Parts: sequence; structure tokens; C-alpha cells
Amino acid sequence: SQQGEEDPQALSIQEGENATMNCSYKTSINNLQWYRQNSGRGLVHLILIRSNEREKHSGRLRVTLDTSKKSSSLLITASRAADTASYFCATGIIQGAQKLVFGQGTRLTINP
Amino acid sequence: ETGVTQSPTHLIKTRGQQVTLRCSSQSGHNTVSWYQQALGQGPQFIFQYYREEENGRGNFPPRFSGLQFPNYSSELNVNALELDDSALYLCASSPIGGPYNEQFFGPGTRLTVL
Repeated sequence: SQQGEEDPQALSIQEGENATMNCSYKTSINNLQWYRQNSGRGLVHLILIRSNEREKHSGRLRVTLDTSKKSSSLLITASRAADTASYFCATGIIQGAQKLVFGQGTRLTINP
Repeated sequence: ETGVTQSPTHLIKTRGQQVTLRCSSQSGHNTVSWYQQALGQGPQFIFQYYREEENGRGNFPPRFSGLQFPNYSSELNVNALELDDSALYLCASSPIGGPYNEQFFGPGTRLTVL
């Protein structure tokens, strides 16, 4: 079963606009990570936020984490056509293995 | 590019057959994890290998098995293939140690079971 729930499932915006994707999870986590996937290929790591952190920035990306609400958000500012992809949140859990539990993803389309 | 490679890129098998997928981890990484991603879904954890031993397993039947070699590369074997095994299989490597586990993914192997 999958822990994360991304919202919305699909998002379509104009180039230059900001895109916000949300993720909710169920259990205690060690960290939360966001990945991007283009056309069913491999996953590209975007950003990792630890359970004791509330906000993190990387270039045009801003991630927030609210452990009391078990939720996170990914903001992409000044979107570009190349940002078109599926975005997944993944919770990092240590249960023997250091495994990632993924949500179902948000399909982001940037229209030129 | 992450430095994680997988082979083959695509594979077509028939129900009941066996398949072996291969993964070379990124230099310096001694842990390999395998994930299955069905169409339109997020990846699901199959298992993880560390120091040639299975280090943890997801909710997959025993016909999914693996190996890790001394050079940290890994194989995923699936016996008695079923139609539902059709998916993208992703390999990820990471360094062990510490509570934070950024994982680096390969491009995946697309398996189709007919």
C-alpha cells in the first residue's frame, strides 16, 4: 500500500506561473523527499527535508513540511516547459531497510 | 545522470517465464534497492540489499528474489511471471549509514508480460 497522497493528481498551468503540489502521509517519518519523473523513465531526486525541518529551498523549488498535519508541499516558481513531468513525494522510513514509500504522483503540464 | 545503470532497457516475456534484471550502483554506494512501478502509480518498494544480504522487504511474494555482488551490483529475479508483473522496475543506490537516505535511481527496465 502507498502512504503518500498527492494533490492534485494532475495540474496544468501556463509557463511562468507558479505550481504547487501537496502531499499527505500517514505514519511517522525520518524525512520526506520529492522526485521528478519524465515520461516513465528514472526518478530524479529534487529535494530532501528532514522531519525536524519546516522549510527548504533549492533554486526555484520550495518545500515545506508540517509533521503535525503529516503534510508537505512543493512549490515550483516561474515554471518552464521543461518542468513538465510527474512529481512524487516519498517518505523515508527506516524499518530495517532504509526504504522510500511513494505517493501516486502529480502530473504537471506547463503550457507554453 | 546518477551513475546508476540498468539492463536491459526493455524486455518482453510470456506468463510463466522467469526474468533477471540487472543494476550497477553508483560509485561508492553499497546499498541497492529495487522498486516496481505499475503504469500510472508511484513506485513500490520490493527489497533492499546491503553487504550482499537482503536488508528489508516490501509486500512482494517469494518469487521475487535478488542478489547483490561484492562490487555492489545487483540482480532482481522474478519467477513464474504473471501479467500483473508488467511494470517499470527501478533500481536505486545509496550509501549506508546515517538516518537520511537520499536514493539515486537508474533509468529503469520496462518489463512486459504477455
